Amino acid sequence: KNQVEQSPQSLIILEGKNCTLQCNYTVSPFSNLRWYKQDTGRGPVSLTIMTFSENTKSNGRYTATLDADTKQSSLHITASQLSDSASYICVVSLGYNNDMRFGAGTRLTVKP
Amino acid sequence: NAGVTQTPKFQVLKTGQSMTLQCAQDMNHEYMSWYRQDPGMGLRLIHYSVGAGITDQGEVPNGYNVSRSTTEDFPLRLLSAAPSQTSVYFCASSREGTYNEQFFGPGTRLTVL
Repeated sequence: KNQVEQSPQSLIILEGKNCTLQCNYTVSPFSNLRWYKQDTGRGPVSLTIMTFSENTKSNGRYTATLDADTKQSSLHITASQLSDSASYICVVSLGYNNDMRFGAGTRLTVKP
Repeated sequence: NAGVTQTPKFQVLKTGQSMTLQCAQDMNHEYMSWYRQDPGMGLRLIHYSVGAGITDQGEVPNGYNVSRSTTEDFPLRLLSAAPSQTSVYFCASSREGTYNEQFFGPGTRLTVL
């Protein structure tokens, strides 16, 4: 079954600290993996997109990694800010028809 | 560009009522889709369209209809609302192709009593 599992479900960190969110998937055939940020009451916004051949991709303080062999990805947030408080969603695209599988997300809270 | 717009933002229905959720995009994207987001679950695809006049079912299509008469608009119709359809609904659009960025609307929060 094509599934995307994220951990932890929720995370609380202090402003300025780093954190890493995890994503494991069983989706096949794999096309690409995306990380989205979703603020409360808003739609998801794309952070990174990685194909099978890409191991890492950065977007400012966000760095995503991908290990296609172990089917794992991580999103590392550096020097967290209060505005990073949001849900972070891992999405894996299958190789056809724009078909995507969404993880349930990690809820990150950054406290001052 | 307004991007992807959705109306209404909030809606309360009684069981059995019908309604249409509106979605529009001004980016000339071929691909549009509707998702529902429920607590503790990932977004699930309801219906999608790869261009005007073409629609197809996603993972959870029962109880919903769509049409795509223009490139810009992709309305979602609830035929006879049920409490199980209480959810947050997101419309999204992108260029055709599996690597293109998908843009989401702000969502519609629907409650069915």
